[in-house]
This record gives sequence, structure tokens and C-alpha cells, in this order.
Amino acid sequence: RKEVEQDPGPFNVPEGATVAFNCTYSNSASQSFFWYRQDCRKEPKLLMSVYSSGNEDGRFTAQLNRASQYISLLIRDSKLSDSATYLCVVNNDYKLSFGAGTTVTVRA
Amino acid sequence: ETGVTQTPRHLVMGMTNKKSLKCEQHLGHNAMYWYKQSAKKPLELMFVYNFKEQTENNSVPSRFSPECPNSSHLFLHLHTLQPEDSALYLCASSPPGASGDTDTQYFGPGTRLTVL
Repeated sequence: RKEVEQDPGPFNVPEGATVAFNCTYSNSASQSFFWYRQDCRKEPKLLMSVYSSGNEDGRFTAQLNRASQYISLLIRDSKLSDSATYLCVVNNDYKLSFGAGTTVTVRA
Repeated sequence: ETGVTQTPRHLVMGMTNKKSLKCEQHLGHNAMYWYKQSAKKPLELMFVYNFKEQTENNSVPSRFSPECPNSSHLFLHLHTLQPEDSALYLCASSPPGASGDTDTQYFGPGTRLTVL
């Protein structure tokens, strides 16, 4: 089983729509969780950390479900600039494990 | 604007060549990393350095040889590579401190390597 698994997508959504996707992780002892964003042919950049209580950053909401070992990302009111690949990242003993990414394409 | 720079940005090399990738971070971080990203695959951690000391070698073939002369610079020396080594090679750094700080890694723009 892969350490971090994501639906590769692509999720094609119109501007203004809401899109959500999950990521599952295999190590129940994982300490912390993140979403990174990677634009085409660019480096990954931290989008947001994911906290146990759930957290929001503007139009982005992240949730963690430790019992079922998944995290989620929801994007409200999608913008064209949200088109990217979203990488799920899990910290195991200070080593980051990356998912292969979920591609989101927002169309006008 | 990224505080982590990588050169070259693109590299094409033959299987018998020797080349080096360079990474430099201007963020005052103490940990640096090399990752490999192949198409449609997750980032693969290759090497980790903390305070210039290698703390992780993720079963990387010896044709990849890292070097960390100081906390700001990281090299990846390449020799006798194979076509399947073609990928995006990303350098990252992270700050010292409590666990919350070391989680965040800052990536350079990567070197896109093609091995012919």
C-alpha cells in the first residue's frame, strides 16, 4: 500500500464552483499533514497545514480524519488561478511523504 | 520569489557524462533535501542533510552522489546515468526549531534532467 494515495483527477470545474477531494495515508502514527500546490512545470509550494480541528484559509478548507486516515481539501468559489496539482503531504518522523497529486482545472 | 535557487534549470546529458546540479538557499535554514519527481509519480526523497551532515540516503544508486559543503549549498553529482533517471530534480530546505517549523519545506524551481 502506498504511503499517501490521491485521486489523480483531473477535476474539471467551472469558475465559481466548489471542488473537493481527499487523500488517504497508511501510517496511523503520522504526525502532521499539509497540502502543497504545484503549478505546471513549477516547484511545489505550501498551500496550508491541516489541523485536527479543521482549518480554513480564505476559500480553502482542510479537514483531517485520523480515525479513517484521510485528509481533504475543499475549494470554494473556484478561480481560474486555482488550476494546479494539489499534493497531499504527510510527515512521518520529520520525513515528508508526498502523494502523486490531484489535478484541478478551472474553466471559464 | 523563492529563497532557494537551483542551477542549471535544464540539463541534457549522455549516459557517459559527468555533471553536477547545484542548489543554494538564502533562508538561513539548516536542513536541505534532494527529491526526484518523475511524471505522474510522487516526489521521491533522495537525500537529507542537517547541519551539513547526511542524515538520510533513501536507497539511492551510487551514480548519484550528494555533497553539502555548508548549510547553504547542496550539490548532486551525476555520473553514468540511465535514461530512466530523466526527471525533475528538486532541492528543498527547511528551518530549524520545533516540529512545526521543520515540517515546512521550501522548494527550488528544479532542474529538468534528460539522459540520452
